[in-house]
Parts: sequence; C-alpha cells; structure tokens
Amino acid sequence: DTGVSQDPRHKITKRGQNVTFRCDPISEHNRLYWYRQTLGQGPEFLTYFQNEAQLEKSRLLSDRFSAERPKGSFSTLEIQRTEQGDSAMYLCASSSPHQRGYTFGSGTRLTVV
Amino acid sequence: QKEVEQDPGPLSVPEGAIVSLNCTYSNSAFQYFMWYRQYSRKGPELLMYTYSSGNKEDGRFTAQVDKSSKYISLFIRDSQPSDSATYLCAMGGDMRFGAGTRLTVKP
Repeated sequence: DTGVSQDPRHKITKRGQNVTFRCDPISEHNRLYWYRQTLGQGPEFLTYFQNEAQLEKSRLLSDRFSAERPKGSFSTLEIQRTEQGDSAMYLCASSSPHQRGYTFGSGTRLTVV
Repeated sequence: QKEVEQDPGPLSVPEGAIVSLNCTYSNSAFQYFMWYRQYSRKGPELLMYTYSSGNKEDGRFTAQVDKSSKYISLFIRDSQPSDSATYLCAMGGDMRFGAGTRLTVKP
C-alpha cells in the first residue's frame, strides 16, 4: 500500500486551457474526496465519491469543473477554460467507512498563467 | 463569520516549549474533531481524532474538546524542530477545516 497518489505533482497551464488531474486512492478505500487549498488557507471541500457514485458537490465546483470515478477506483478532476483564480493545490483524499479521518495525497499544484 | 476559525500565526517557539494551538467553531452539531499536520508541499496527515468532548493523549500530543465553549485545542509537549509544520483543525462528518496555524520550533 503506497498511500494516495496524485498525478501530476505540478501543472503550469495558460489561461483558457483545460487540465486534468488524476488520483489513485488506497485500494481498499471506497470513499474519495477532492479538496482545493490556496496559500494560507485550509483545504476546501469540492466533491465526494462513494465507489463510482458522486454523492456531493460543493457550490465551489463551478460548471467548468467535473470529476469522475468511473470504476470506483481512480478518479479524475478536470478543469475547463482555466482561470487565474483556479491556481491552487488540488488535494485528493480517501477513506473507508470505519476509518477515522481521511488519508490525503501530496496534491497537484496548479498554476494558471 | 467562518464556520471554523483558526489563528494562522505564524507561531515560533524554542525547542522544548509547550505549544498550544486552538480553534473555535460555530456549528454545535459537530461531533468529530481532528487535528492534521501538513508539511510544506505535502498533503495533510491525521494527528489526532476526538469524538465529542474530552481529552485525548497520544505521546507528546494532547487534544482537548470543549463543546460548551465550541473550542478545541492541541497541545504539543517538548516540542521538536521536526514539529515545524502547519497544523490544521478539522471537524464535522464532512470535514470543515480551519485556515491552519504555521508553527516553527527553533533549535
């Protein structure tokens, strides 16, 4: 078990481009979460999957954001038409029903120029 | 008013000091309280987990929850330079985080 993996670690993109991030959770975890963290702030909840079902989405998740977890294993987060305000660390976490707290990955740092 | 308030610091202490980190919250329905530690360029890692009110101790770390005051604390005894990190409180079943307090322990 190598923990939660996120790819890429860093992404620099031009404004208006689309980007996609990947998260591989701990294999036995059926719950997966995406958070966004900006400098000097705590993580903000974006969305939550239980197996392949997306059960909750934050109002922070605009129409330009979409997340999938097609087979209940890895997940992708896509941002379309990126804006400078999207620059942040995107964190993925996973958990199992009886686990206390979440296990986080190291995040993908997005810079929109 | 934010649902979870945490003083961002920064907080700087000498090695061996007792560190006190605190959060306040507004939602009286919160039952689960956690402290995470986040090193630079890493994801948060769970340090302490407390359900409802009371104290919990784990080595040099003690977590306290006072639900009547809507106030939680993390104490670090005999602080070490390796404790230098950002400490995030989190609470609720859907994990609402504070802004994090940046701690530096100087040798």
